[in-house]
Amino acid sequence: DAGVTQSPTHLIKTRGQQVTLRCSPKSGHDTVSWYQQALGQGPQFIFQYYEEEERQRGNFPDRFSGHQFPNYSSELNVNALLLGDSALYLCASSLYLGQGEQFFGPGTRLTVL
Amino acid sequence: QKEVEQDPGPLSVPEGAIVSLNCTYSNSAFQYFMWYRQYSRKGPELLMYTYSSGNKEDGRFTAQVDKSSKYISLFIRDSQPSDSATYLCAMDSSYKLIFGSGTRLLVRP
Repeated sequence: DAGVTQSPTHLIKTRGQQVTLRCSPKSGHDTVSWYQQALGQGPQFIFQYYEEEERQRGNFPDRFSGHQFPNYSSELNVNALLLGDSALYLCASSLYLGQGEQFFGPGTRLTVL
Repeated sequence: QKEVEQDPGPLSVPEGAIVSLNCTYSNSAFQYFMWYRQYSRKGPELLMYTYSSGNKEDGRFTAQVDKSSKYISLFIRDSQPSDSATYLCAMDSSYKLIFGSGTRLLVRP
């Protein structure tokens, strides 16, 4: 079992650019949640995808958007990057809308210059 | 006031010590409680998952939940240098997780 995988590992962008991060959930899981973790903080919930639809959203602006594919993998897109978007972006997979345990991937570290 | 409060530490203990990590929370609707371990620059790893009040033990780890006090704890027995990491408590709010800010633990050989 490969577990939750994310790509890329690291990314450096400049302000105003756009970025796409990718996540493949754990085998058998159908729900993907995205979190942002700033340095020294706990992860903050961005949104959750189930059956290719956004089901819940945290307190993040519309610059953050996502997508889920039929194979349950997911993308996180961030437009018009700001310096404050620099963080570790984590993907968590789970069953059915996040019921039960949520397992995290290794994360993508985004640096915005 | 944050929904979940956690002392950031760092907490430094000698190898073999019993470690106690704690979180308090304000939302009485939380039903599921988790502890994650996060090594530097890695993703969080689920250690313990508990429902409602009570204790749960897994090897050297024991999780306690006291819903009446809105207080959860993680105990680590016979701590090892490899336990040095940040420990995050998390609570389930309608299937999205609310995290504490994490406690850094250093176990000295």
